[in-house]
Amino acid sequence: GESVGLHLPTLSVQEGDNSIINCAYSNSASDYFIWYKQESGKGPQFIIDIRSNMDKRQGQRVTVLLNKTVKHLSLQIAATQPGDSAVYFCAEIRGVSGGSNYKLTFGKGTLLTVNP
Amino acid sequence: KAGVTQTPRYLIKTRGQQVTLSCSPISGHRSVSWYQQTPGQGLQFLFEYFSETQRNKGNFPGRFSGRQFSNSRSEMNVSTLELGDSALYLCASSSKPTIAGLNTDTQYFGPGTRLTVL
Repeated sequence: GESVGLHLPTLSVQEGDNSIINCAYSNSASDYFIWYKQESGKGPQFIIDIRSNMDKRQGQRVTVLLNKTVKHLSLQIAATQPGDSAVYFCAEIRGVSGGSNYKLTFGKGTLLTVNP
Repeated sequence: KAGVTQTPRYLIKTRGQQVTLSCSPISGHRSVSWYQQTPGQGLQFLFEYFSETQRNKGNFPGRFSGRQFSNSRSEMNVSTLELGDSALYLCASSSKPTIAGLNTDTQYFGPGTRLTVL
């Protein structure tokens, strides 16, 4: 079946360490992946995206890696700060029916806790 | 510039009732998308409106409906509420139409309406 899932529901790191949050997907036809951050009491916030024809994309303190061989997506946060504490989830968009229709699937999320 | 606002922030209803939620997009944004977020299912796309027309729709029953007004404000209605409809309902606005309900870095989410069905 189709799914976009997270390997770990929670992740606890020390301030200053690097964090790696993982996401697995099952559909090799996925076109586009996005990472979101959701702080408590707030709506999701876009972090970074990557297209399926790329392996890596970097932003400010964040890097997304896409391994299409094993259908695995990861978000790396460098020098994690207390303000990074939030739920992180991935999203996948893929074309369906060979036409202009697309299907959107979200992962359930990983709770990142940064300890001072 | 004001962000996306949703009203009410919290709502308690009983089974069988209906509910209407409101979303005011960022000024100038014409796309409003709605999502349901639950611990069990995560975030799921409901539908998107752009310039008063529904453009995309997720896989939800007909009890879930929406509309958009000429000022781009949008309402979402759920009729005959079920216990499983308890969730955080989020809306997001964008200046451009979305692809399947997402417009990545040009889309902004509101804080959500927490609906509890008893």
